Amino acid sequence: QSVLTQPPSVSGAPGQRVTIACTGSSSNIGAGYDVHWYQQLPGRAPKLLIYASINRPSGVPDRFSGSKSGTSASLAITGLQAEDEADYYCQSYDNTLSDSWVFGGGTKLTVL
Amino acid sequence: QVQLVESGGGVVQPGGSLRLSCAASAFTFSSFGMHWVRQAPGKGLEWVASIRYDGNEKNYAESVKGRFTISRDNSKNTLFLQMSSLRAEDTGVYYCAKGLYSGYDFKLGHWGQGTLVTVSS
Repeated sequence: QSVLTQPPSVSGAPGQRVTIACTGSSSNIGAGYDVHWYQQLPGRAPKLLIYASINRPSGVPDRFSGSKSGTSASLAITGLQAEDEADYYCQSYDNTLSDSWVFGGGTKLTVL
Repeated sequence: QVQLVESGGGVVQPGGSLRLSCAASAFTFSSFGMHWVRQAPGKGLEWVASIRYDGNEKNYAESVKGRFTISRDNSKNTLFLQMSSLRAEDTGVYYCAKGLYSGYDFKLGHWGQGTLVTVSS
């Protein structure tokens, strides 16, 4: 079980807005560590989607946005498109284990 | 365009060893921290190990500490992962990844395509 909790699945219709939560604790997100988000399309390697909670690497559409509050972070996707169907992972640092970077368990996004 | 190409995966018996390589190109390899992340079949991502741009700092997940060794050859633009005392739970796709920014950055900005390691008798 990961120290970062994500819902196993979310879904939405094309054009809709969905959010994916990443819930942590005082030893990771709540301690102020950065949260990063990755998108993994089926059969592909992961891709950095959001870094330091709110920033998009060049080339990532502004339909993707991130936020962070307290011990949680969220990824929002607006104007949902079929090609957004993928697994999404959050990542942060946890100070209860020595030098430990952790991923959330992942969320499968289904575009209806 | 940044390229990361992993190799060295395969089938190995429990208790065995394997050495993974990651050939990097199209960026100044010696300026960037590098990382290994794995994914068991049908499961999520797991951070495995990281190494600073100069090789002088290394970090490992508890699950592999003492069994895996990360290293790099900056003269050959290559990252390595030496794996020993392999267990069935080490089975999965191993990805090489590059920090987004130079230094020792844990934002994984570029990923290779992965190499499959199967630990089975």
